[in-house]
Amino acid sequence: DGGITQSPKYLFRKEGQNVTLSCEQNLNHDAMYWYRQDPGQGLRLIYYSQIVNDFQKGDIAEGYSVSREKKESFPLTVTSAQKNPTAFYLCASIPQGHMNTGELFFGEGSRLTVL
Amino acid sequence: DAKTTQPNSMESNEEEPVHLPCNHSTISGTDYIHWYRQLPSQGPEYVIHGLTSNVNNRMASLAIAEDRKSSTLILHRATLRDAAVYYCILRGLRDDKIIFGKGTRLHILP
Repeated sequence: DGGITQSPKYLFRKEGQNVTLSCEQNLNHDAMYWYRQDPGQGLRLIYYSQIVNDFQKGDIAEGYSVSREKKESFPLTVTSAQKNPTAFYLCASIPQGHMNTGELFFGEGSRLTVL
Repeated sequence: DAKTTQPNSMESNEEEPVHLPCNHSTISGTDYIHWYRQLPSQGPEYVIHGLTSNVNNRMASLAIAEDRKSSTLILHRATLRDAAVYYCILRGLRDDKIIFGKGTRLHILP
């Protein structure tokens, strides 16, 4: 079945370590997004990509990095520069050309805890 | 910043209709109104979207004000499974950034 797969579902990290969250989709979608969610809060946009080899910063990009080498993959690296990385991370995708009408598909999320 | 305003939380009784409001006073003519909902510890899921006319689907109805500055998501008969956070967002033709606000946390009372 088509969908978005995020891994790992749960991740623990020591302070000062970088960690990479995986996001893979087989929906043939062009645009992909990363959001961060803190307890009881809404979603905040970290990075997004409309096409391979191109991506833009969202509202809270500091301390994060991404790459988009393949259409189906959009990994997010949480670097040691991110001051408060413990959060729930969500990846989403949407087909290009449907920015105002298309359904945004989300993965099940990755919960990162920094010890 | 989010372009929509929603109440932080609402309560409703099981098996009764629920009306979730959303204000979007700065909406432009080509912006679509979308609703998503997020169950605990899951990613959001699409509920419904519309432009000007009211819309119905198997999950809900969307009522859009004539001036389009507000809309209401209607759950016709709430169940305990409808307890979730509901997000109202605007999507424009050239909006690469898709911004979510804090949404409305809906509590269903048995």
